[in-house]
Amino acid sequence: EAGVTQSPTHLIKTRGQQATLRCSPISGHTSVYWYQQALGLGLQFLLWYDEGEERNRGNFPPRFSGRQFPNYSSELNVNALELEDSALYLCASRASINYGYTFGSGTRLTVV
Amino acid sequence: SQQGEEDPQALSIQEGENATMNCSYKTSINNLQWYRQNSGRGLVHLILIRSNEREKHSGRLRVTLDTSKKSSSLLITASRAADTASYFCATVINTGTASKLTFGTGTRLQVTL
Repeated sequence: EAGVTQSPTHLIKTRGQQATLRCSPISGHTSVYWYQQALGLGLQFLLWYDEGEERNRGNFPPRFSGRQFPNYSSELNVNALELEDSALYLCASRASINYGYTFGSGTRLTVV
Repeated sequence: SQQGEEDPQALSIQEGENATMNCSYKTSINNLQWYRQNSGRGLVHLILIRSNEREKHSGRLRVTLDTSKKSSSLLITASRAADTASYFCATVINTGTASKLTFGTGTRLQVTL
């Protein structure tokens, strides 16, 4: 069974540009979670998608948005990139509430 | 914001010793999970303990949960150099839209030969 896959692995963007990150959950998982891990700030919850709908979002500005496609894969978009958006972005999926989450290897975004 | 804190922030031990990490959280939970992260990579799920459970084992891992104190501990017995990683606790609060993992601050474990 394939795990959670994320692409690209690394992404370098210039301040002000837009970044698009992609995630494919484990087959059969309908929920996708996005987390940001910035240096010194720990793992911060960004967005939760389930069955194509945004169910919850963390304390991030509207520049951070995303969507979930009918095949349950997901996209995270970050507009008007700022230097402090540089971080490891992790995607996860889960089978149900009482199962552990499976994380992808992440996308390391560097804003210069 | 973080749900809780982990203690210690960093731990250095020798191979063969036991490592204990503690996690405290703030609100009532559905379950608590422990994850491991190797050097800037994705997180690996280690163990999940439900709010009505007090102790759980998986191989060399032992997790306890005290809901009255809102705390959990992870014990790694007979540590190995390969256990070197960051360890995070995370809680799940099952209240509809709040159903998400909220992570602690993490403990960096260094196991030396």
